[in-house]
Order: sequence, then C-alpha cells, then structure tokens
Amino acid sequence: AQSVTQPDIHITVSEGASLELRCNYSYGATPYLFWYVQSPGQGLQLLLKYFSGDTLVQGIKGFEAEFKRSQSSFNLRKPSVHWSDAAEYFCAVGALLDPNYNQGGKLIFGQGTELSVKP
Amino acid sequence: DTGVSQDPRHKITKRGQNVTFRCDPISEHNRLYWYRQTLGQGPEFLTYFQNEAQLEKSRLLSDRFSAERPKGSFSTLEIQRTEQGDSAMYLCASSSAGHYGYTFGSGTRLTVV
Repeated sequence: AQSVTQPDIHITVSEGASLELRCNYSYGATPYLFWYVQSPGQGLQLLLKYFSGDTLVQGIKGFEAEFKRSQSSFNLRKPSVHWSDAAEYFCAVGALLDPNYNQGGKLIFGQGTELSVKP
Repeated sequence: DTGVSQDPRHKITKRGQNVTFRCDPISEHNRLYWYRQTLGQGPEFLTYFQNEAQLEKSRLLSDRFSAERPKGSFSTLEIQRTEQGDSAMYLCASSSAGHYGYTFGSGTRLTVV
C-alpha cells in the first residue's frame, strides 16, 4: 500500500540556519512526489514536485528536494531559513495517473512536520 | 480567476444536524477533490470528480457523506447526522486532468458540538 512517513513531527531551527525535512515513501512503482506547505488555518500551497528526470528539484521560496530511489526518500531542504518559513510541511505521493482516469489523481500525505523558526 | 473558493470558512453545528459545504474550483479545471484533515494529521483523500462523474470514493466516506458536482463546475459535500468525530478541516482542490498541479482552497473548518 502507498504510504508516506515524515519522521519528525516538530523541528525548530534558528533563522538563517539550514533546514532539512525528511520524507520516506512506500510505493510500488515510480512515484510522483510533492511537498506542500500549510500556514495556520489555510489551505496547502505546492512547494515543488518530482515526476521524473533530474532527481534534484527546485521549488518556490528557495526550497529544493532530492529524490533518492535507493532510500525511498524525498527530503526537503533550504540553505537559509527565514522567519516566514514557519509553517506545517507535508510530503505526499501521488498514484500513477491513468489517462483513462480510473486510477490515480489522489495524493497520499504524510502526517506533516511543524517548523518553528527561532530569531 | 481567484483560485479555489470554499464556503463557509467555519461551521459550528450540533451533533445530529446536517451540514453542506460548497467548493468552487478554478474554472478551467475539470478535476475536483475533497480531502479531510484532522488536527495534527495530513489531509486524507475522500473523493474526486472528473467533470460531473464521481470516479473514486475513499472507504473513509461513510454513508452519511455524499458529494455532488452536478454540472461539472462547483461541488457540494454533505454530511448527514453529524458526529463529533466529523470535526475537521474539509479541503477542496482542483486540477486539470493529467496534471497533479492541485490548487487547494482554504478549507471549511467544521466543529460538531
């Protein structure tokens, strides 16, 4: 069964420090992988996605993530964290899209990592 | 286009009452999704539509839940005989078929008292 694990429930980093949020997935085929960010009381915003090709993907707000098939991981990184990055971060895996739409389309989310930023 | 709109933003209801939420997707998106998010958890898939056809329903969606998208535009999610366990954020998202570029709405927070 498809699943996503985010081992860290809560992380605190100092402003200006680097950040890495961990994500491990379980999926039988080539996964589609995503990172979303959610501010309190808000919907989710897509940070970046991986479908194929270069395993290092760049996203918005200075975030990047690296797909490592051998480790079933898709960790999110940022070299220098800003106070405005404090939020909840979700990793997700998407079922393979079927052009006939009978399968796929939905995302399986991890439970999230809450990021706090110290001044 | 103002993105995905959900109404209401907040809903407080008494146990046993029925509630209905509305989602207006991005106009050119033919796929529409409903997710539920409880405190401290990631969103859980409930159901999705391509145009007006409901293509998949999660086993989480009990018989008390029903979703419609009658003209392939807006969608409604109805919960009958609400229970305290239904308290959650209900998120709607839309996308074009063949794309995982979801756009989420801000959600409807339901509190059942």
